[in-house]
Amino acid sequence: GAGVSQSPSNKVTEKGKDVELRCDPISGHTALYWYRQSLGQGLEFLIYFQGNSAPDKSGLPSDRFSAERTGGSVSTLTIQRTQQEDSAVYLCASSLAGRETQYFGPGTRLLVL
Amino acid sequence: DQQVKQNSPSLSVQEGRISILNCDYTNSMFDYFLWYKKYPAEGPTFLISISSIKDKNEDGRFTVFLNKSAKHLSLHIVPSQPGDSAVYFCAASFGNEKLTFGTGTRLTIIP
Repeated sequence: GAGVSQSPSNKVTEKGKDVELRCDPISGHTALYWYRQSLGQGLEFLIYFQGNSAPDKSGLPSDRFSAERTGGSVSTLTIQRTQQEDSAVYLCASSLAGRETQYFGPGTRLLVL
Repeated sequence: DQQVKQNSPSLSVQEGRISILNCDYTNSMFDYFLWYKKYPAEGPTFLISISSIKDKNEDGRFTVFLNKSAKHLSLHIVPSQPGDSAVYFCAASFGNEKLTFGTGTRLTIIP
């Protein structure tokens, strides 16, 4: 069956440019998460969508980061004016509900030059 | 404030022996714990979970132990196989809250 998909798989951009990362969760999953993993680091929580509730944005590192989830399905993570420290693997996960097992996508590898 | 901690960033174990990965947590409200496994260039995959009403859960070669009084859980893999080489993350949650992940332990199985 279809799992979580993310696009692009790799993205190289120049410092100062904006980037958009896309996540397609598993159909029927109401919860969607964004994480990032920097080189040698653990999973850093960014943002959490649960159904129609207001998203939990407590993990977003700065106001350059934003995310939206349209129609309760696809989500886009936008990073404005990218910095070199934004280079990381950005992972998306979805689950049936907030505390259920999360299923991860393969990630988008972002490199900011 | 790191609520879920994996204090060993790496671990090497001989093939066939037991691998023990440890995880400590500080939030006594956590009542659901999971282990994820991550290969390079892939997203993490769910391995095994345990709720706080239990102290042990077993699935094939994988067993998770929970010690609530010590706020400690561990993952035992026996016997360890080369394909077990990966980064292992523990995670915890309570109520309907999101999971909180640890920083991961890189396990290397030596043939």
